[in-house]
Order: sequence, then C-alpha cells, then structure tokens
Amino acid sequence: AQTVTQSQPEMSVQEAETVTLSCTYDTSESDYYLFWYKQPPSRQMILVIRQEAYKQQNATENRFSVNFQKAAKSFSLKISDSQLGDAAMYFCAYRSFLNAGKSTFGDGTTLTVKP
Amino acid sequence: DAGVIQSPRHEVTEMGQEVTLRCKPISGHDYLFWYRQTMMRGLELLIYFNNNVPIDDSGMPEDRFSAKMPNASFSTLKIQPSEPRDSAVYFCASSGGTGDDYKNQPQHFGDGTRLSIL
Repeated sequence: AQTVTQSQPEMSVQEAETVTLSCTYDTSESDYYLFWYKQPPSRQMILVIRQEAYKQQNATENRFSVNFQKAAKSFSLKISDSQLGDAAMYFCAYRSFLNAGKSTFGDGTTLTVKP
Repeated sequence: DAGVIQSPRHEVTEMGQEVTLRCKPISGHDYLFWYRQTMMRGLELLIYFNNNVPIDDSGMPEDRFSAKMPNASFSTLKIQPSEPRDSAVYFCASSGGTGDDYKNQPQHFGDGTRLSIL
C-alpha cells in the first residue's frame, strides 16, 4: 500500500517570502499522480497543483511550483511571494495509475503567514 | 458549476441516533468519494463509487456505517447508531473525465459536514 508522509506538521513564513513544504511517498508503481491540496479555515479542500509521474518537468501554477524527484520519491511544494491568503493546511496526495479511484493523503502541514 | 454540495453543514445529535449525510456531486463526474477527517487520524477514505457502484468500502469503520448512491446525482452516508467517536468532519468529493483522462483529474471536495455526537 502507498503511504504519504508530510514531515512538517507546522510551518511559518513571512509575507512576500518563499516557503517549501515537503512530501515524500512510498510506492512500487512507476506511473502515478501527485497532488497538493489547500484547506483554509473555511474547510473546503482546494486543488493547488498536480504532477504526472511520467512528466519530468516540474509543474507550476503562478506562485506555486513543485520539485518532483521521482527517484527520491519526493514531491515538495514551493510557494513564492507568500500572501496572507496562503495560510491554510496543505495536503499532499498520491493517486495510483492502476487504481485511480483511490487517493492517499498525507497528514497535512499547517502554514502560517506572518504579516 | 455549483461544485459538490453537501448537507447539512453542521449536525449535532445524541448518541444512538441515526445520522444521514447527503452529497450531490458535480454533474458529469462518475467518481464519488466519502472521507472522514479528524485530528487524530487525518483524512481517511471511507468508500468510493464509480458510476454509482461501490468500488472500495474497506475504509468504512464498521457495520454502523453505510453508504448508497441511488443515482448519479445523489449519495448518502448513514451512521446508525451513532457514537461520540464518530464526531468528525465528513467530506464528499467527486471527480471525472473521459477515457484515461480521469486519472489525472483532481477530486473536487464539498464544504464538509461537521458532525458532533453528544
């Protein structure tokens, strides 16, 4: 079974600075998908960014980018120019290519943005 | 697009009562997921459906929990009888796509139901 580990329960960043959230996963599969979700205090889970394992190029979405290291099974999220609205809990998720109905989520990292 | 709609948003009830949580997925999505989120256990997948058929219910904690999807636009998660340890936020999510495209589609989550069992 796949596992997803987020080793940083809490992180903080100064507004306008850059922060990196770490995520590692364990799998024996070669094809899969990885996602970062954001859960603000409003509770709704919102997709931040996704990455297909077969793509070598790191995904980017505006201020959000990932550092995908397939051999190391690492999938970190970098937030540039942090804004107060980025404060939330961030979840890393793994989805199998073979069993695409099922996603495994990490325990989350709570990000605080200081003004 | 209205998104995934869950009701109620909050539910407070006494131990032993039956609880029914409701979900309307995004139109056209053929996968539906029920999750439970607690501080202790994080986000747990309880069950998921594909084309209204339950595919994997291995996450359902025990027989007190049941889920149905009578049609493509509605699903319920029922707890009977409820216990204080069932208190959590319950999320419904849906995803979809055509062919293999669905595999890289994100799950769209509802706002969740905060359930408190006294």
